[in-house]
Amino acid sequence: DQQVKQNSPSLSVQEGRISILNCDYTNSMFDYFLWYKKYPAEGPTFLISISSIKDKNEDGRFTVFLNKSAKHLSLHIVPSQPGDSAVYFCAARDSGGGADGLTFGKGTHLIIQP
Amino acid sequence: EAGVAQSPRYKIIEKRQSVAFWCNPISGHATLYWYQQILGQGPKLLIQFQNNGVVDDSQLPKDRFSAERLKGVDSTLKIQPAKLEDSAVYLCASSSDRFNEQFFGPGTRLTVL
Repeated sequence: DQQVKQNSPSLSVQEGRISILNCDYTNSMFDYFLWYKKYPAEGPTFLISISSIKDKNEDGRFTVFLNKSAKHLSLHIVPSQPGDSAVYFCAARDSGGGADGLTFGKGTHLIIQP
Repeated sequence: EAGVAQSPRYKIIEKRQSVAFWCNPISGHATLYWYQQILGQGPKLLIQFQNNGVVDDSQLPKDRFSAERLKGVDSTLKIQPAKLEDSAVYLCASSSDRFNEQFFGPGTRLTVL
């Protein structure tokens, strides 16, 4: 049972345009959401996060939107740059669950075209 | 500040053999996690330590997997005996404390033949 779903395995976007990566979750106990970026042969690196009490968090070119009623979040990257080409993982946490390990989606491979 | 170190980076073994992975977290980080990432999947938490105590090992296949963090610093993850389906990247992560940002190491890629 996949609790965090990223239904687009890959996404291709022109350099300078907006990249939108989507993520859905099924566990209503999740209260903290994160996006990680991963380059080949490296571990994931933290990008941006959002608490369930917010609906938007912004950090430079990166904005995460959370729609709790739809159990959906999205990551917007604008403008997209060649260095943004990577695999992006959506992750979630149930802070009241006694442990804080993350539940990850399968990832979306973002390709920025020059 | 040095990041999370893992070794070896790559390991190839035959099924039924044993293997061990090592992780050195960021200095001072009390919380350590081991994740398993199978090709095409996201990382899956295997075990979480707080200092040298286990917080969560509900997804660790305890019949063949074991992990320890004896002095609350380095950690080892062992598989004995390995199966074909254990082929994956094993990621170690650490955080300064629970619910803080997790920093990941580069991972150990295990291939079981």
